[in-house]
Amino acid sequence: DTGVSQDPRHKITKRGQNVTFRCDPISEHNRLYWYRQTLGQGPEFLTYFQNEAQLEKSRLLSDRFSAERPKGSFSTLEIQRTEQGDSAMYLCASSLWGQGNEQYFGPGTRLTVT
Amino acid sequence: AQKITQTQPGMFVQEKEAVTLDCTYDTSDQSYGLFWYKQPSSGEMIFLIYQGSYDEQNATEGRYSLNFQKARKSANLVISASQLGDSAMYFCAMREGPTGNTPLVFGKGTRLSVIA
Repeated sequence: DTGVSQDPRHKITKRGQNVTFRCDPISEHNRLYWYRQTLGQGPEFLTYFQNEAQLEKSRLLSDRFSAERPKGSFSTLEIQRTEQGDSAMYLCASSLWGQGNEQYFGPGTRLTVT
Repeated sequence: AQKITQTQPGMFVQEKEAVTLDCTYDTSDQSYGLFWYKQPSSGEMIFLIYQGSYDEQNATEGRYSLNFQKARKSANLVISASQLGDSAMYFCAMREGPTGNTPLVFGKGTRLSVIA
């Protein structure tokens, strides 16, 4: 049973560039979550999906952010026109609706905007 | 107002001793869940323990136990027989509402250092 995987693990980009991150959840999990974690803080919720439907978006998710889960399997998070304030760890988690409560997290993608 | 408060930015404990990490929460929901996660320096969040608001018994998982005091809105994590590998950040989190699998709200965390 493979866990949640995220790619890339690290990304350095220049301000103004677009970046895209990928998350592959645990295979049978139908819920997928994106969180952002800045230095010295706990993770903050960004958005989540049940299958391919995006159920909720946080007010933290500005217009420059978009997330998709086209076939209810993997998900992508895109940030357009990156800003230095976007530098953070982006965490993906998955869970199986109706089965237990815990969310299983991936290793995260660390974004540095220079 | 913060929904999850962890008042201890850092804690030290001697190896083999027990340690309590504090967590208080704020919610008006009757049904909610409380979680503790461990985050080593590698960055991955590792689920430790869960307590539902209607659970009458305190949750236990191996060396981890959750001291749930509903009236005080506290959900402290107790780690018994600390090991060097327990050194990490620890986050308390909550999900609100009667159904599981909703997004979590996290506290700011406590950094635990285990001393040999």
